Amino acid sequence: GQQVQQSPASLVLQEGENAELQCNFSSTATQLQWFYQRPGGSLVSLLYNPSGTKHTGRLTSTTVTKERRSSLHISSSQITDSGTYFCASLQGTGSKLSFGKGAKLTVSP
Amino acid sequence: GGIITQTPKFLIGQEGQKLTLKCQQNFNHDTMYWYRQDSGKGLRLIYYSITENDLQKGDLSEGYDASREKKSSFSLTVTSAQKNEMAVFLCASSPWDNYAEQFFGPGTRLTVL
Repeated sequence: GQQVQQSPASLVLQEGENAELQCNFSSTATQLQWFYQRPGGSLVSLLYNPSGTKHTGRLTSTTVTKERRSSLHISSSQITDSGTYFCASLQGTGSKLSFGKGAKLTVSP
Repeated sequence: GGIITQTPKFLIGQEGQKLTLKCQQNFNHDTMYWYRQDSGKGLRLIYYSITENDLQKGDLSEGYDASREKKSSFSLTVTSAQKNEMAVFLCASSPWDNYAEQFFGPGTRLTVL
């Protein structure tokens, strides 16, 4: 089955609202990472968060390894936050990342 | 810092044609990856290379070959292009001690006529 599952698949917000994206991963998943892809662009790493809570700018990620879930919170969303957010994790001690299908965020004025 | 470059940015080929995509990185990373991203979807791993002389198949290797010419470069060959594999191909690299920390190139968009 799918190693990494994301929800929601898409989210539409107004500028200034907060976004909450969820990721559930299998029991063997490690080293969870959140990526962002601008429409038509490549992927950039946002946050590496294998466990606990990490912050960068308006982004906060909380990973609860025991419950096999991670969240990405975007506070006070801006139009430029629009794009697709991917959650990815390594499987066990392997070297391959498994990606979720992505969550498409649209922020409107 | 470093950068990953992919050439060409756009690749147009005929059905059945053999096509090669190239990737270069100057991070001095050991590990490199090729992914395929179909429109509006997630990434699927085609091939990866842990070190300079290593080559390993991903989940989607059928119909593709790869070559790690040197530490900084990793090529992907579509052995016989098909219309259903029109997609964006993304190259990435990571340091040996953190495979999750992957840096991506800008992608090559493949169109098959």
